[in-house]
Amino acid sequence: GENVEQHPSTLSVQEGDSAVIKCTYSDSASNYFPWYKQELGKGPQLIIDIRSNVGEKKDQRIAVTLNKTAKHFSLHITETQPEDSAVYFCAASPPNFGNEKLTFGTGTRLTIIP
Amino acid sequence: DTAVSQTPKYLVTQMGNDKSIKCEQNLGHDTMYWYKQDSKKFLKIMFSYNNKELIINETVPNRFSPKSPDKAHLNLHINSLELGDSAVYFCASSHRTRQFFGPGTRLTVL
Repeated sequence: GENVEQHPSTLSVQEGDSAVIKCTYSDSASNYFPWYKQELGKGPQLIIDIRSNVGEKKDQRIAVTLNKTAKHFSLHITETQPEDSAVYFCAASPPNFGNEKLTFGTGTRLTIIP
Repeated sequence: DTAVSQTPKYLVTQMGNDKSIKCEQNLGHDTMYWYKQDSKKFLKIMFSYNNKELIINETVPNRFSPKSPDKAHLNLHINSLELGDSAVYFCASSHRTRQFFGPGTRLTVL
């Protein structure tokens, strides 16, 4: 089955700086890679996703890059703000006709220092 | 106007009891899931249902039984609760791959 590794486990950055979280996956059949943000006491919230036919996707201050050859993908947050502090999870899934089975990374606790 | 809702939010119970967690989604999605998040925040899928049919059943003890009365609801019943069942349980729903999570139910077994 799929195995997803995520680094770092904790990350502290100064407000206004950029943050980068990296994930690697094992199953070359995986073609869907979402990123979730989980705030304290809440459920994971989908913030951006990318499919394997695309190398990069951007949404305002958030971007995700995918390297299929190396089987790794990264989340980039620019101009970080205190409200970006949360736990971030990457995930990967092979195709399954809308019934995708997400395998999650172990999470990165991001702290933005004011 | 909550998209995926779960009840209860907190559940504290004794070992050996039976309990249920309810989930409802008003997004019109065909597929629903149950995930378990342990104390180290690790998220792992337990089950998924598509149009009331079981699709994914990970290696979860038989004490856990999902039930889907209709495609908007997926409930989780747990028999003979054990200490190791203490976790946060998340329901999710999806349409064409994107999964949306509920707020979670924190289960504590004493």
